[in-house]
Amino acid sequence: GAVVSQHPSWVICKSGTSVKIECRSLDFQATTMFWYRQFPKQSLMLMATSNEGSKATYEQGVEKDKFLINHASLTLSTLTVTSAHPEDSSFYICSAIRQPMGQPQHFGDGTRLSIL
Amino acid sequence: SQQGEEDPQALSIQEGENATMNCSYKTSINNLQWYRQNSGRGLVHLILIRSNEREKHSGRLRVTLDTSKKSSSLLITASRAADTASYFCATDAGQAGTALIFGKGTTLSVSS
Repeated sequence: GAVVSQHPSWVICKSGTSVKIECRSLDFQATTMFWYRQFPKQSLMLMATSNEGSKATYEQGVEKDKFLINHASLTLSTLTVTSAHPEDSSFYICSAIRQPMGQPQHFGDGTRLSIL
Repeated sequence: SQQGEEDPQALSIQEGENATMNCSYKTSINNLQWYRQNSGRGLVHLILIRSNEREKHSGRLRVTLDTSKKSSSLLITASRAADTASYFCATDAGQAGTALIFGKGTTLSVSS
């Protein structure tokens, strides 16, 4: 089946550090990937839609300058949390759509980000 | 914003019992999906039901969809301790290939 790899799975870093999270589709091409954020015991909230070769589309309230998304190839999207602060601590999950079937989406295992 | 609500928020049962979770949504949809999430992990796709389908089965899972009531249910039969997880319904808000909108989830605990 379709596999999405997310790396790293866990990051602990100091406030002010920038952190890059990678999302790779391992056995299929994904023109569209999505980035979600999940707080403890809550549901997933869409942050942005990442399209290969174009700018990401951010949801309302998500700071595009803080959460930089790059989708440089058909198998890789990256989310960079710039100048991270403790309030950015969360669980970040990516997903990818396998074209042309569309749904279901295939999710990575998530990245737990802890900012000290 | 979240599409819908899951009911109940938490469910505790014994092994062998059936577990039923309900989901309501607000907008028209192309399909509705159920996902499972083990603690601290990513989501695993369980089943997808299209808007023109009313019921679908996959192993011990049974999903129903009532588009007139904008609701869906997930039934897990003969539950096992390994079924302990959070379960989310998700919809595409009527547009194929778009991001999913998730419900709040049901936390299922199955004790042996």
